[in-house]
Amino acid sequence: EPEVTQTPSHQVTQMGQEVILRCVPISNHLYFYWYRQILGQKVEFLVSFYNNEISEKSEIFDDQFSVERPDGSNFTLKIRSTKLEDSAMYFCASSYLETQYFGPGTRLLVL
Amino acid sequence: ELKVEQNPLFLSMQEGKNYTIYCNYSTTSDRLYWYRQDPGKSLESLFVLLSNGAVKQEGRLMASLDTKARLSTLHITAAVHDLSATYFCAVEPKSSGDKLTFGTGTRLAVRP
Repeated sequence: EPEVTQTPSHQVTQMGQEVILRCVPISNHLYFYWYRQILGQKVEFLVSFYNNEISEKSEIFDDQFSVERPDGSNFTLKIRSTKLEDSAMYFCASSYLETQYFGPGTRLLVL
Repeated sequence: ELKVEQNPLFLSMQEGKNYTIYCNYSTTSDRLYWYRQDPGKSLESLFVLLSNGAVKQEGRLMASLDTKARLSTLHITAAVHDLSATYFCAVEPKSSGDKLTFGTGTRLAVRP
C-alpha cells in the first residue's frame, strides 16, 4: 500500500540554524500539508499546498517557514532560523480526495 | 476560532467493556475524521464521516456524526488491549478549505 515517507526521522539542530524537512507524498495525490505536534499536545495545522502554491497557512507559519515542491515527488518544509519552540514532531500529509494520509514524522529538537 | 474538544482526555478501561469517546466542535462542518496514534508514531486514519447521520464501523470501533449537534462519537465495543492508543478527532470546517483542526486527543488504556 502506498505511504507518505519523511526524512530524516530525527533531527537535532542548534538554535538559529536552518533545517529542511523532506517528504515524499503518495504519488497520485494532489494536496499536501504540514502539521506539527509539540510533545504531549494536539496536532496543529501549519500549511496546505496545491497546484504549486500555498492554499492556506496558519498563524504558526510565519516568515521563518517556507514550503517547496522542487520536483515531481518531494515536498519540503524549511525553517530558516530555528527557535527552541520549534522543537516538535513534524508530520507531512497528502490527499487525493477527502482523507489525509500522514507520514511517520520528523522529530525536530532545537538546542 | 474553531474549538474541537474531546472527552474524556484519559480513559482507562477493562478488556471486554464498552465505552464512548465524544468530540464536540464549535463551527459548521460536514467533514469529520478519526485518527489513531500509537506512542511515538504517526496518525492512522480510522474513519471519514462526510454527512449528517453518517455511521461507520470497523471491527470494535464505530463512529458517528451529528452535524446539527456538532458532535461525533467513537464507540468502543468489548475493548481489547490492542486498542490502547491515543484517538484524535479532526474537523474540516466549511469555511477554511481543507485544513484539519484536531481535537485534544483521548488517551485510551485497555487493561486486562
